[in-house]
Amino acid sequence: AQSVTQLGSHVSVSEGALVLLRCNYSSSVPPYLFWYVQYPNQGLQLLLKYTSAATLVKGINGFEAEFKKSETSFHLTKPSAHMSDAAEYFCAVSTGKNAGNMLTFGGGTRLMVKP
Amino acid sequence: DAMVIQNPRYQVTQFGKPVTLSCSQTLNHNVMYWYQQKSSQAPKLLFHYYDKDFNNEADTPDNFQSRRPNTSFCFLDIRSPGLGDAAMYLCATSRGGSGGAGEQFFGPGTRLTVL
Repeated sequence: AQSVTQLGSHVSVSEGALVLLRCNYSSSVPPYLFWYVQYPNQGLQLLLKYTSAATLVKGINGFEAEFKKSETSFHLTKPSAHMSDAAEYFCAVSTGKNAGNMLTFGGGTRLMVKP
Repeated sequence: DAMVIQNPRYQVTQFGKPVTLSCSQTLNHNVMYWYQQKSSQAPKLLFHYYDKDFNNEADTPDNFQSRRPNTSFCFLDIRSPGLGDAAMYLCATSRGGSGGAGEQFFGPGTRLTVL
């Protein structure tokens, strides 16, 4: 069984400030981890994924995430927030293709960016 | 560009009147999923097709059905929509098979309103 916890359903930062969105997971097998972004009335867009190749993963729009096995974490960061980053962010875990690629989502974090 | 397409983007139906949402993909992925997403919540998996094999989630209401006539298309039928079925419906695809992360690619969603 696997689960995902996103600490903080709402995060507010000022434009130009560091963005840190927290994600902790539990999985009985080595996980694949994903961050998705969702803008209002849109589908989910993949930001980045961890597939065991490298622990620091770079994604689109300047985001990156670091896989820390000892902390069972996969936090999402961006050095400098932009107004266009305001959206809902979902962390998800999967045990991979052999399991039909089922995703378990966290509850989501709404990022607000203040001018 | 290869993509997941959902039609219509917005659908209004009346209480109890059957409605069909459609999804098509040009990615040639063999796994297709339907999710229901309510406001400020994570997507909830309703069912998925692995090739022609239909997999229903245990808590998906009988009111929801799905068809996949070929690799490219998948439909969500809601036989008798209730007010509680108003939500965003997301279609996603992934490449099943051996190994790998198998990330899911999402369409833009159909927002269903039930009057």
